[in-house]
Amino acid sequence: GDSVTQMEGPVTLSEEAFLTINCTYTATGYPSLFWYVQYPGEGLQLLLKATKADDKGSNKGFEATYRKETTSFHLEKGSVQVSDSAVYFCALTRGGGTSYGKLTFGQGTILTVHP
Amino acid sequence: GAGVSQSPSNKVTEKGKDVELRCDPISGHTALYWYRQSLGQGLEFLIYFQGNSAPDKSGLPSDRFSAERTGGSVSTLTIQRTQQEDSAVYLCASSPSQGAGNGYTFGSGTRLTVV
Repeated sequence: GDSVTQMEGPVTLSEEAFLTINCTYTATGYPSLFWYVQYPGEGLQLLLKATKADDKGSNKGFEATYRKETTSFHLEKGSVQVSDSAVYFCALTRGGGTSYGKLTFGQGTILTVHP
Repeated sequence: GAGVSQSPSNKVTEKGKDVELRCDPISGHTALYWYRQSLGQGLEFLIYFQGNSAPDKSGLPSDRFSAERTGGSVSTLTIQRTQQEDSAVYLCASSPSQGAGNGYTFGSGTRLTVV
């Protein structure tokens, strides 16, 4: 079945450091890939997405590129802020079949940014 | 409404009791999903409703769990004879159409504690 594997956290960085959170996936067909973020005390929000190979999703300074050859969708940010402290989830959905529309999530990575 | 609304936000129940969790999706969204977020285990798919189609119940962990969606709008997740392992945050999400290409909109969740 489909699966998403994220780098284990927690990740602790200083402000303005470079961030990478690794995500790899296993899925048949051509999935769409997502990063969701959950800030403390809030619900999950879509951060960015990519729907086909080589697409780059970007939002709020975060980027991720859909790499079909390595089945990866790593999240990056050049300079993190304290306000980026949150839990980050990588997810995928397949484009068809009975699982159409269902998101499969990774286990989440806790990011803490210190001033 | 403007977002996905879930109630109650917190629920403490005694082991063996039944509970009902409610989700009011964004008006016009045809797809509705329930997920469970357990500590340290990421998000687990439970059930998926799409329009008038039969729901995808493949994620329900046991026959104590059931869900319905009335009139294609509000959904209720029912857990019968609750157990301590049912303690988790139950998240509802909706999307405009079949497929998560635009991402879901999540509610803030119901935190269920079984004592």
